Amino acid sequence: GDSVTQMEGPVTLSEEAFLTINCTYTATGYPSLFWYVQYPGEGLQLLLKATKADDKGSNKGFEATYRKETTSFHLEKGSVQVSDSAVYFCALNSGAGSYQLTFGKGTKLSVIP
Amino acid sequence: DTAVSQTPKYLVTQMGNDKSIKCEQNLGHDTMYWYKQDSKKFLKIMFSYNNKELIINETVPNRFSPKSPDKAHLNLHINSLELGDSAVYFCASSQERLAGGETQYFGPGTRLLVL
Repeated sequence: GDSVTQMEGPVTLSEEAFLTINCTYTATGYPSLFWYVQYPGEGLQLLLKATKADDKGSNKGFEATYRKETTSFHLEKGSVQVSDSAVYFCALNSGAGSYQLTFGKGTKLSVIP
Repeated sequence: DTAVSQTPKYLVTQMGNDKSIKCEQNLGHDTMYWYKQDSKKFLKIMFSYNNKELIINETVPNRFSPKSPDKAHLNLHINSLELGDSAVYFCASSQERLAGGETQYFGPGTRLLVL
């Protein structure tokens, strides 16, 4: 079955540091890949997505590239801010009529001034 | 304008009680979902409805019963609440099916605490 593996957290960074959160996946077919973010006390919201190999999703300074050869979708940001403190979820949908999102376990990011 | 709304936001109740959580979306989406998020933030799909028809029914106790009176609403009823039901429950919706990378839109969550 489909699965998503994220790096374990929590991750603590100083403001303006470089961020990478690793995500790898297992899926049949050609999945769509997502990063969702959950700010404290809130629901999840889409951060970015990519629907085919070599696509790059980007939003709010975050980027992730869909790498089919390494089955990865790592999240990066060049300079994090305190306001980026949140839990980040990598997810996939395997397409082909699937209604379901499969989530990774989430990575908590704390950015300190 | 809230896209996906849930009520109540907080729910504290005793073991053995029956409770309901309501969800409404004003996005015109065809598909709605219920997720459970445990204390470690792990998200697990529980149910999904498409055009009022149940399409995902994961392995959850039959004390949990979803009800979709129309496309814009998906309610979750829980009978005989147990301590292990304490979690955050999220409702979500999406347009049709997730075959092409459609985004799921999440509600703010209902924090259920069973005492």
